[in-house]
Amino acid sequence: GAVVSQHPSRVICKSGTSVKIECRSLDFQATTMFWYRQFPKQSLMLMATSNEGSKATYEQGVEKDKFLINHASLTLSTLTVTSAHPEDSSFYICSARERGTNYGYTFGSGTRLTVV
Amino acid sequence: AQKVTQAQTEISVVEKEDVTLDCVYETRDTTYYLFWYKQPPSGELVFLIRRNSFDEQNEISGRYSWNFQKSTSSFNFTITASQVVDSAVYFCALSGGYSTLTFGKGTMLLVSP
Repeated sequence: GAVVSQHPSRVICKSGTSVKIECRSLDFQATTMFWYRQFPKQSLMLMATSNEGSKATYEQGVEKDKFLINHASLTLSTLTVTSAHPEDSSFYICSARERGTNYGYTFGSGTRLTVV
Repeated sequence: AQKVTQAQTEISVVEKEDVTLDCVYETRDTTYYLFWYKQPPSGELVFLIRRNSFDEQNEISGRYSWNFQKSTSSFNFTITASQVVDSAVYFCALSGGYSTLTFGKGTMLLVSP
């Protein structure tokens, strides 16, 4: 079945530094990838949608300059949290939608970011 | 706009009890997909089922069963003879057309021995 690999699974960084999270579709082409953020005991909140080769579409209230998304190929999307602060600490999870479908969503295993 | 409502925030049961998790959705799309995911404490999302809007047949998979009723816009999930390993947060989600996946707030299920 479809597999999405997300790395790293956990990261601790110092305040003010940047962190990059990778999301790869291993055995299928993903023209669209999604990035979610989840606070403890809350649901997944969509941050942005990225289409291969074009700029990401950010949800209202998400700072595009802080959360940089790059979707340079059909199998790789990255989320960079720039100048991270403790309030950015959260669980980030990506999802890839298979090319040609509107229902084939595969999720990565998530990244737990802690900013100290 | 799409909306998914999971009114039960937390459910506690004792092992071997049956439990039903409710999901009510709203969408203007005539073609849409409904999903259930399980999220254990480790965090990853485990896909349980996908159902399209044209297939109202109920589905059973082992101890899991799903009841899809378009008339009430509901897609409920029942676990029969619950086990401790079923303890997790369960999310219902909806995708209409080519829109994004919309999640409910989730229901935390606690199964005690």
